[in-house]
Amino acid sequence: EVQLVESGGGLAQPGRSLRLTCVASGFTFDDSAMHWVRQVPGKGLEWVSGISWNGNNIGYADSVEGRFTISRDNAKNSLYLQMNSLGPEDTALYYCAKGYSGRYETAIFHYWGQGSLVTVSS
Amino acid sequence: QSALTQPASVSGSPGQSITMSCTGSSSDVGGYNYVSWYQQHPGKAPKLMIYDVTNRPSGVSDRFSGSKSGNTASLTISGLQAEDEADYYCSSLTASRTSPAVFGGGTKLTVL
Repeated sequence: EVQLVESGGGLAQPGRSLRLTCVASGFTFDDSAMHWVRQVPGKGLEWVSGISWNGNNIGYADSVEGRFTISRDNAKNSLYLQMNSLGPEDTALYYCAKGYSGRYETAIFHYWGQGSLVTVSS
Repeated sequence: QSALTQPASVSGSPGQSITMSCTGSSSDVGGYNYVSWYQQHPGKAPKLMIYDVTNRPSGVSDRFSGSKSGNTASLTISGLQAEDEADYYCSSLTASRTSPAVFGGGTKLTVL
């Protein structure tokens, strides 16, 4: 069974940083692209960032480019999202999602975790 | 880039069929056969229902089908069941070199 478990969310003040972690199991992690997708409670989905199976190809939404950094450790079956210079607009539930292939550019989100809530407020 | 356009709500009675739309542009829906659909029940994570316009992942009921014409993709659910009541989101590959995915705003399906 595929499992994706996010952690690291919480309350952060504007301008501060948080690091999200997603631990994967139930599939061959280093065969799959991985993504972060966020959702403001009660609102729609927004793709945040994606990374290819080997970490060599990475993409970001314009809204987070230059502030967020995605990375992965295939030895630990883990995906990360370093979020810097947080603003209230970053408040959302952040989902970790497994890609349907090894390339993040195909942008198909096959399995999703339960999400980690990030709240940015003073 | 702008989100794809979905109707806010659709409804149908058990046993009926419904179709919901997802409208984009030639830079996303119309330019690629890479449209996906996701089902989300309240308080739950999204679930992939359709990918590459028409394909169903293993385990997804064949009551769900996808299609595309021009810049508009569609999701059809036949033989509506109570458990189909959920939010549905479409997604498409885009022409952006670094930001490959755009979502629609979501459609709330109500089973009457």
